[in-house]
Amino acid sequence: KNEVEQSPQNLTAQEGEFITINCSYSVGISALHWLQQHPGGGIVSLFMLSSGKKKHGRLIATINIQEKHSSLHITASHPRDSAVYICAAGSQGNLIFGKGTKLSVKP
Amino acid sequence: EPEVTQTPSHQVTQMGQEVILRCVPISNHLYFYWYRQILGQKVEFLVSFYNNEISEKSEIFDDQFSVERPDGSNFTLKIRSTKLEDSAMYFCASGGQGPYEQYFGPGTRLTVT
Repeated sequence: KNEVEQSPQNLTAQEGEFITINCSYSVGISALHWLQQHPGGGIVSLFMLSSGKKKHGRLIATINIQEKHSSLHITASHPRDSAVYICAAGSQGNLIFGKGTKLSVKP
Repeated sequence: EPEVTQTPSHQVTQMGQEVILRCVPISNHLYFYWYRQILGQKVEFLVSFYNNEISEKSEIFDDQFSVERPDGSNFTLKIRSTKLEDSAMYFCASGGQGPYEQYFGPGTRLTVT
């Protein structure tokens, strides 16, 4: 069965901390997506990657194709980073989503 | 920066009514998708659409659902006779470089009463 697993499910951090969220997948993929979902429910695409590493501001995403593993890092975390972070992977259009990691950054 | 838009942001309807959820994909994108997320659950794939036809659909996407690209810019999801269990966030996505590239819209919250 194709699965996407994220860890941790919940994460509480103090402002300024370095944060890592992990994603493991069992499917063969063409791309892996990291998405951010705010309390209102809207989704924002953060990264789409198929190899290596991408950086945008304080966010960094890495992927290891051989190990079927990806990580999302947030440097110098801020309360406005509080959201659910979702990993999704797939080889065609049919993305399989993880359950999400709920991040709460406290001031 | 181009973005996917969806309307309405929130739709309330009575059970048995038809609803149409609208999406405007990024211009020049060729691949289109609908996903849904029931409250508290994972996002689930519904359907993908390419070259004016469905390329893949999930078990969820039964005869009550249909998709259409009526005018070359909008991409719609129709639910013919809504059920209580259709209450969910519905996300549209579009992609241009290939089926693996997807940009998500903000979602439409559908509430069936």
